[in-house]
Amino acid sequence: GQSLEQPSEVTAVEGAIVQINCTYQTSGFYGLSWYQQHDGGAPTFLSYNGLDGLEETGRFSSFLSRSDSYGYLLLQELQMKDSASYFCAVQDSNYQLIWGAGTKLIIKP
Amino acid sequence: ETGVTQSPTHLIKTRGQQVTLRCSSQSGHNTVSWYQQALGQGPQFIFQYYREEENGRGNFPPRFSGLQFPNYSSELNVNALELDDSALYLCASSTQQAKNIQYFGAGTRLSVL
Repeated sequence: GQSLEQPSEVTAVEGAIVQINCTYQTSGFYGLSWYQQHDGGAPTFLSYNGLDGLEETGRFSSFLSRSDSYGYLLLQELQMKDSASYFCAVQDSNYQLIWGAGTKLIIKP
Repeated sequence: ETGVTQSPTHLIKTRGQQVTLRCSSQSGHNTVSWYQQALGQGPQFIFQYYREEENGRGNFPPRFSGLQFPNYSSELNVNALELDDSALYLCASSTQQAKNIQYFGAGTRLSVL
């Protein structure tokens, strides 16, 4: 079967750095994406890794290691507005996005 | 704002009824995907449409069906509603070349009583 594993909840302090990990097992792999979803809102695209390595977009970075079937999202200089759920998603051999269950990020002042 | 609009925002139906949800994609996007998201879960892929044809389907029964129109807008139809169909239904648009990058509408919250 296809599965993506990510922690259900992560807690961090405002101003700190937090890493959210994602491991995947899918039939085919055509890229790892990260999305943010605030309570009651729609998912918003954050980052995409098609090749190994680090992608940086402002305070957010995403990393991929295809040989380890592993990636992570790194959030720096955490702000209270970053409190949300974060999802990793893999495009499989059918070019469909398979999603993890999400990581709820709780930020404390 | 993503430019993807969904209607209605909320809907209450009873078991056995049928429902149609609508989605207008972002300008320039020719691919529409539909997802079901239960509370506290990640989105589950229902199906995707490209050039008015179904272009991939997740593990959902045939009573979930869809359409895409020439202007790339789309509908999701669910027949014989069951209690477990209660969820947030999300529509996302993208280009065929960059299906990893999807732009979501605000969703339709469906409650089946």
